[in-house]
Amino acid sequence: QLQLQESGPGLVKPSETLSLICAVSGGSISSGSYYWGWIRQPPGKGLEWIGSMFYSGNTYYNPSLKSRVTIYIETSKNQVSLKLSSVTDADTAVYYCARRPYSGSYSDWGQGTLVTVSS
Amino acid sequence: DIQMTQSPSTLSASVGDRVTITCRASQNIDSWLAWYQQIPGRAPKLLIYKASTLESGVPSRFSGSGSGTEFTLTISSLQPDDLATYYCHQHHSYPLTFGGGTKVEIK
Repeated sequence: QLQLQESGPGLVKPSETLSLICAVSGGSISSGSYYWGWIRQPPGKGLEWIGSMFYSGNTYYNPSLKSRVTIYIETSKNQVSLKLSSVTDADTAVYYCARRPYSGSYSDWGQGTLVTVSS
Repeated sequence: DIQMTQSPSTLSASVGDRVTITCRASQNIDSWLAWYQQIPGRAPKLLIYKASTLESGVPSRFSGSGSGTEFTLTISSLQPDDLATYYCHQHHSYPLTFGGGTKVEIK
């Protein structure tokens, strides 16, 4: 059974870069036509799509974050990574990684990891 | 961007009630709509995809309908386990977007 597990620092200072990893187990990132994405949720608020990467390499980012976001896949490690630069308080959120099939919806989610931006 | 508007934002109903949540898209998204359930402290869980297809393992009391710009999620008989926030989500066009959520409370 596919499992996704996010990890990374729980506290990031303003203006620094947030870096998270999503470790995938129970399946290979490079097998099948899937998008690997990141979605975040500020405390007490709704869901915001950050971006996604197709297994073949195409990336899609939310324009509101595009200048600061990088998503990439490391097939040798079977993981998906997220980098968000120049963070502010507004980037404090639970960050989820998730998978969806081509033309499908996000059916597999990690448990999420809380990242707080604070000095 | 395609805006997704859910209503109501909160609803309170009794066990056994029929509950309907509406989601409107700011432009046509055909049937590229999903519904998620998020229990407090948990990750979202896919309930419905392609507007009306029930995800495997999801109780049959959940159903979805609609196409184009108007969609509904119906819980035919509300159960205590249904206490959660429900989100609609379009994957017709980038950037992908979510509705603001509907919090379902049990009376």
